[in-house]
Amino acid sequence: KNQVEQSPQSLIILEGKNCTLQCNYTVSPFSNLRWYKQDTGRGPVSLTIMTFSENTKSNGRYTATLDADTKQSSLHITASQLSDSASYICVVSHYGQNFVFGPGTRLSVLP
Amino acid sequence: DAGVIQSPRHEVTEMGQEVTLRCKPISGHDYLFWYRQTMMRGLELLIYFNNNVPIDDSGMPEDRFSAKMPNASFSTLKIQPSEPRDSAVYFCASREQGSDNEQFFGPGTRLTVL
Repeated sequence: KNQVEQSPQSLIILEGKNCTLQCNYTVSPFSNLRWYKQDTGRGPVSLTIMTFSENTKSNGRYTATLDADTKQSSLHITASQLSDSASYICVVSHYGQNFVFGPGTRLSVLP
Repeated sequence: DAGVIQSPRHEVTEMGQEVTLRCKPISGHDYLFWYRQTMMRGLELLIYFNNNVPIDDSGMPEDRFSAKMPNASFSTLKIQPSEPRDSAVYFCASREQGSDNEQFFGPGTRLTVL
């Protein structure tokens, strides 16, 4: 069964600290993996996309990694800011427009 | 471009009533997606269109749900009759041709069925 799992379910960190969010998937065949950021009351916004051959991709303070062998991805946030408080959703695509969404990790950054 | 536009932003209705959600995709985008998001189930793809043609509606929960895209700049998602379990946030998203192209989401419609 195609599934995407994320951990932790929620996370609280202090401003300025780093954190890492995890995504494990069993989706096959694999097309690409995206990390989305969803602010409260808004639609998701794409942070990164990774294809099978990519190991690391950065977008500012966000760095995503992908291990296609173990089917794991991580999203590392450096020097967190209050505006990083949001839900982070891992989405794996297969067969073109077929997407499997993870349940998300709720991140709260406190001052 | 103003991005994906959805209306209404909030809808409160009573069980049994018809609900119509509207979406205007980004101009020039070939694909349009309708999603539903709940705390219990997260984001779920309901249906998507390519060049105004419905391609996959396997995510539509039941016959009470229907979606149309009469032209490239407008789509509707209709629920008739609505039920309390339909309460959720409904998102519309669009993107250009190409499998890796990013989907751009609208702000969503928060539906509450009493």
